[in-house]
Amino acid sequence: QLQLEESGPGLVKPSETLSLTCTVSAGSISSTTYYWGWVRQPPGKGLEWVGTIYYSGSTYYSPSLKSRVTMFVDTSKNRFSLKLSSVTAADTAVYYCARQRKVAVSREYFIDTFDMWGQGTMVIVSS
Amino acid sequence: QSALTQPASVSGSPGQSISISCTGTSSDIGSYNLVSWYQQRPGEAPKVMIYEVNKRPSGVSNRFSGSKSGNTASLTISGLQTEDEADYYCCSYAGSSTMVFGGGTKLTVL
Repeated sequence: QLQLEESGPGLVKPSETLSLTCTVSAGSISSTTYYWGWVRQPPGKGLEWVGTIYYSGSTYYSPSLKSRVTMFVDTSKNRFSLKLSSVTAADTAVYYCARQRKVAVSREYFIDTFDMWGQGTMVIVSS
Repeated sequence: QSALTQPASVSGSPGQSISISCTGTSSDIGSYNLVSWYQQRPGEAPKVMIYEVNKRPSGVSNRFSGSKSGNTASLTISGLQTEDEADYYCCSYAGSSTMVFGGGTKLTVL
C-alpha cells in the first residue's frame, strides 16, 4: 500500500521560508499515471490546494500563492518538496501531501482527485 | 479563483438521506466532470469518497453517491449512520491546471 509522509520544521519565523518534504514509499513517484500535490488546512478552517508537481518537474501552483511557492521533485529519493517564502501567521496550517490522479479527457491530460494522503504535518509561523 | 460554495452545516437522523451541494462557476464545475468529494473526521487526513462526479473508490460504501447539474455538484448519503458524521469537502478542476476546494460542510447525525 503506497504511503506518503510529510517532514519538516514545525515552527517557522515570520518572513522566513517554510520547507517541507513528502517521502513516498511502496510506490514510485516516477509513475506516469499520477501527479503529486500539497494541500493545507489552517486550524479550524477548510482545505486549500497549494500546488501540484509531476515527476518530470512540471509544476502547477495556486494563483493566490504562486509568487511564494516553489515545488521540486527528487526521483532518486522518491520524494517531492514544497517551499513557501515570506511566511506570515496566515500560513500556519496542517500541510498534507497527496497523490493525484492523472486523467485523460479528449486527448488532454488533467490533474484530478487526491486519492492518497499523508497524515499531515502542523507548521506554525511565529517568532 | 474563488472557493466553491458549500452549506456550512447539514444534519440528519440515522437512516435518513441527506445531500450536500457544491456550487461553482462555468469555469470549474460547469466545464469539467472532475469533481471529487472528501470526508474528514477530526484529527484525520481527508479521504476521497467520490471522484469524477459520480465514481466511487473501492471500499467506499454505496450509500455515497455524487451528481452534477450545471455549475452545481451534489453528494448524497443515504441510510445515514453515526459514523458518517464528519466534515465533507468538494473539489473541482478549475482550468489552467488549477484545483479549487469548497469551504466544507459539517455533517451532524442526530
